[in-house]
Amino acid sequence: DADVTQTPRNRITKTGKRIMLECSQTKGHDRMYWYRQDPGLGLRLIYYSFDVKDINKGEISDGYSVSRQAQAKFSLSLESAIPNQTALYFCATSDWTAGSSNQPQHFGDGTRLSIL
Amino acid sequence: AQSVTQLDSHVSVSEGTPVLLRCNYSSSYSPSLFWYVQHPNKGLQLLLKYTSAATLVKGINGFEAEFKKSETSFHLTKPSAHMSDAAEYFCVVSDRESGGYQKVTFGIGTKLQVIP
Repeated sequence: DADVTQTPRNRITKTGKRIMLECSQTKGHDRMYWYRQDPGLGLRLIYYSFDVKDINKGEISDGYSVSRQAQAKFSLSLESAIPNQTALYFCATSDWTAGSSNQPQHFGDGTRLSIL
Repeated sequence: AQSVTQLDSHVSVSEGTPVLLRCNYSSSYSPSLFWYVQHPNKGLQLLLKYTSAATLVKGINGFEAEFKKSETSFHLTKPSAHMSDAAEYFCVVSDRESGGYQKVTFGIGTKLQVIP
């Protein structure tokens, strides 16, 4: 089984609809992240959470919201989807060591979202 | 300010020839550097990481990278390309900002094509 699981893997929906993407992990990591990937732009951070009570905006949080339901679960919502939110979305987790920046992130396989 | 520049958006090599994927970075502190690989319809997988130990880092699948502080570079190499290496590769820098916050920046990716 995958350590970081994203559902759904693919979703097509219409403009104005509310959408939730879900992420669950079995790695026991405190830190979780949501990114979107667009061709030629790499990955851009939407939101991140350092623990259940700590949620922070990333560089492109407008139009998105998140919920950290438990240490293992972090969901991303699009309240009213628009076509330019069509992208590949990734959830990631990382461990944390005090004073260290060297913990890699572990990624799910992504959700391909299309907004018509 | 932290940034990552992947100097080539596309690289094409023949099977059995060397691979060089270039990455330059900037960071105010002492960064950790990573290379990830992304195969089609998959998430990002960690290839290798530099965390201020040995400057020559060996990763999975025969890849390695050398951290050169004077050149602010972290180029990824492999002596002999295999067809299965065809994928997109991301260079990533991670560093602690003031206050202990960990900032992570992704490059825009390099697509590696391997020609039979």
